[in-house]
Amino acid sequence: DVKVTQSSRYLVKRTGEKVFLECVQDMDHENMFWYRQDPGLGLRLIYFSYDVKMKEKGDIPEGYSVSREKKERFSLILESASTNQTSMYLCASSLLGPANYGYTFGSGTRLTVV
Amino acid sequence: DQQVKQNSPSLSVQEGRISILNCDYTNSMFDYFLWYKKYPAEGPTFLISISSIKDKNEDGRFTVFLNKSAKHLSLHIVPSQPGDSAVYFCAASSPSGTYKYIFGTGTRLKVLA
Repeated sequence: DVKVTQSSRYLVKRTGEKVFLECVQDMDHENMFWYRQDPGLGLRLIYFSYDVKMKEKGDIPEGYSVSREKKERFSLILESASTNQTSMYLCASSLLGPANYGYTFGSGTRLTVV
Repeated sequence: DQQVKQNSPSLSVQEGRISILNCDYTNSMFDYFLWYKKYPAEGPTFLISISSIKDKNEDGRFTVFLNKSAKHLSLHIVPSQPGDSAVYFCAASSPSGTYKYIFGTGTRLKVLA
């Protein structure tokens, strides 16, 4: 089974802090994604990556950046955390292939910014 | 602009009865659709998919129907079980080759014992 591991289940950070959310997958997937889930808004794409050192903006990239130095690892960075970034963050990976492969998600990181 | 919509935020169904979850989309170029199930404090898990060249796909208790003319898909769960209580997301894939999925807002299903 593909595993997508997010380093923290719960995080509490202060406003203005720089926050790193880490995601590792173990099945050599090319694609990796970061989403946030908020009530009533569903899953919204922040950033994604198709290859090492490659990144593309999703629908809500403002206030975030990403890093993909190795194929298996995709990091989400909150440059200066704000309270409106309190959310559930979900990392996902997929093969670079037909659409029916879908995503494999991690368990999520619940981030609270105070 | 919400390209994938789930207009019912919640649904309650009696155990053993049918659950029907609905999803509408606006882009006729979407060519692949998936349903995911999410329990609290866990990541979404893949449930069932359907290609735009089909109108039905069945997997055990779960069936997805696609009506391309209406840009509508639905997930049927028969019979519903208490363990099915979760949030269900539909997702659509654009044919742009990016394999990026657009998700709906989710429907919370509660199956009553």
